[in-house]
Amino acid sequence: TQLLEQSPQFLSIQEGENLTVYCNSSSVFSSLQWYRQEPGEGPVLLVTVVTGGEVKKLKRLTFQFGDARKDSSLHITAAQPGDTGLYLCAETDSWGKLQFGAGTQVVVTP
Amino acid sequence: KAGVTQTPRYLIKTRGQQVTLSCSPISGHRSVSWYQQTPGQGLQFLFEYFSETQRNKGNFPGRFSGRQFSNSRSEMNVSTLELGDSALYLCASSLIVQKTSYEQYFGPGTRLTVT
Repeated sequence: TQLLEQSPQFLSIQEGENLTVYCNSSSVFSSLQWYRQEPGEGPVLLVTVVTGGEVKKLKRLTFQFGDARKDSSLHITAAQPGDTGLYLCAETDSWGKLQFGAGTQVVVTP
Repeated sequence: KAGVTQTPRYLIKTRGQQVTLSCSPISGHRSVSWYQQTPGQGLQFLFEYFSETQRNKGNFPGRFSGRQFSNSRSEMNVSTLELGDSALYLCASSLIVQKTSYEQYFGPGTRLTVT
């Protein structure tokens, strides 16, 4: 079973600062998804990356997929309090099951 | 289009009891998956149903079971509840069933507390 490692576990920043969270594996991802989960709610899909080297942007969020498809990053520019949440990466394993990393808890304070 | 709905949202049960949770997927979605989320273990896959058949199963004891109905609605049941079953139980539905890109849409979850 491929293990997804997310870092850091926790990140606290001020509004307006930038941040980057990472998702890594020792094996190649077939594809990778990023989700954000707010307290008391289910995760919400942000993006799916499939191709090595792929970069996708979602407003102030930039997602990168490593060339070797073994790592991915999520960069948030000028973070806002509304960006607060648990950021999860997930990968579909060979059995078609979604495997999640432990997540990075991001707190953006005004 | 309505999202994934789960009922109830909150539940308190006593050790030894059983519980049934319900999930209604997004209209047209035929795949429904269940997850358990706890602070210590994170999000763990329980099982997945597609067209009323269990297609995938995680590493949980037999006390955890589920089923899917012809309208794609799903239920999961936990028998003989233990304190460690306290968790947020999430249901997710998916339209496109591709092994390489399995995008899921989650409901708000059912918060189960076992006392």
